[in-house]
Amino acid sequence: TAGITQAPTSQILAAGRSMTLRCTQDMRHNAMYWYRQDLGLGLRLIHYSNTAGTTGKGEVPDGYSVSRANTDDFPLTLASAVPSQTSVYFCASSPSPTTDTQYFGPGTRLTVL
Amino acid sequence: AQKITQTQPGMFVQEKEAVTLDCTYDTSDPSYGLFWYKQPSSGEMIFLIYQGSYDQQNATEGRYSLNFQKARKSANLVISASQLGDSAMYFCAMREVNNAGNMLTFGGGTRLMVKP
Repeated sequence: TAGITQAPTSQILAAGRSMTLRCTQDMRHNAMYWYRQDLGLGLRLIHYSNTAGTTGKGEVPDGYSVSRANTDDFPLTLASAVPSQTSVYFCASSPSPTTDTQYFGPGTRLTVL
Repeated sequence: AQKITQTQPGMFVQEKEAVTLDCTYDTSDPSYGLFWYKQPSSGEMIFLIYQGSYDQQNATEGRYSLNFQKARKSANLVISASQLGDSAMYFCAMREVNNAGNMLTFGGGTRLMVKP
């Protein structure tokens, strides 16, 4: 079973360029999340979506935008990348916003130069 | 103030022995959940175990158990009979009911190294 897939696996991006990180889940989970993990640290929430058509800001939303046009997909866009956005990005999902366990994708390693 | 604190940046354990990874948390929410995730060197985040604040019994999942001491606000992970494959980063996380988006707040992690 695929679960959650993320693309690309890794990317090097020039500062000022835009990029969309893709996330797709096949579990029909209602809630989806984007986290970033900086070297040696735990994960911090960027944006979330409790259900298709709705999104919300997490702990560190600046410089990022998301959309949730359908249940399966939750892309994360960096409109104009900066070096401080160098990180590993994890997409996660849970069956509902109040269901406790979040399941994570494999991550995307992004380097902004 | 940190909401989740993991005080052990790194730990060694001998194969087949038990090990306890510490986690303390801070919340005023009466309803919350505590999680442990494993992150091996390959990078994925693997869910291990969950404890709800109202659960009477300590959670167990195979070789993993959660030593939940509510009054002390601690949720330590106990791994019994350590295996070489247990070598990884371990993250404690908390979900508070009243925060937006069911957000998980993570600790800084503990790197566990299992010695043969």
